[in-house]
Amino acid sequence: QAGLTQPPSVSMGLRQTATLTCTGNINNVGNKGATWLQQYQGHPPKLLSYRDNNRPSGISERFSASRSGNTASLTISELQPEDEADYYCSAWDSSLSAWVFGGGTKLTVL
Amino acid sequence: QVQLVESGGGAVQPGRSLRLSCAASGLTFSNYGMHWVRQVSGKGLEWLAVIWSDGSGIYYVDSVRGRFTISRDNSKNMLYLQMNSLRAEDTAVYYCSTERVGAGYAFDMWGQGTMVTVSS
Repeated sequence: QAGLTQPPSVSMGLRQTATLTCTGNINNVGNKGATWLQQYQGHPPKLLSYRDNNRPSGISERFSASRSGNTASLTISELQPEDEADYYCSAWDSSLSAWVFGGGTKLTVL
Repeated sequence: QVQLVESGGGAVQPGRSLRLSCAASGLTFSNYGMHWVRQVSGKGLEWLAVIWSDGSGIYYVDSVRGRFTISRDNSKNMLYLQMNSLRAEDTAVYYCSTERVGAGYAFDMWGQGTMVTVSS
């Protein structure tokens, strides 16, 4: 089953802004938007954002999501060392009747 | 607080079976759809299956359909994954995760995962 496409790695400097992308199609990202998850090595993922730009309580406003067509984006502003992690997008695919994940983006804060 | 605790992982030979469990506490279990997601060491997340809050809807990824069966017991706050005909490529950490009914999103809570190793 086809997954979502994410760049394998992104590097940005401390206090800069990083934008991570996630490309799908009309049946998944383009339909109901993407969910974004953050994962530190050795730990389970953590929900950051859902349905384009909704944050669960407790998630910093530095994390904001958006969507343009079939591409979702996660923008992390004022990068901090603790933002260095793997980020995954996910979406329900209505044609597959399945959830699909992106391959993940490893964010490095320089 | 909410806890999801997976168990049942371990080492198993190819072709054998294993049943994973996910014990939920601190939430009204019957208000949540439940997912299984796995992760091969050093690799990305792979969604496996979801079961609706009342068990009336079940969906699988193609790679496990027909081999894995997701089920739940709302009276015991338990989620299960029966894995048959295991293959080396099923070796991974297996997580359970929640999807609150009507919330419009999934994967809001996760367990710590249980490791499954399929090897001869």
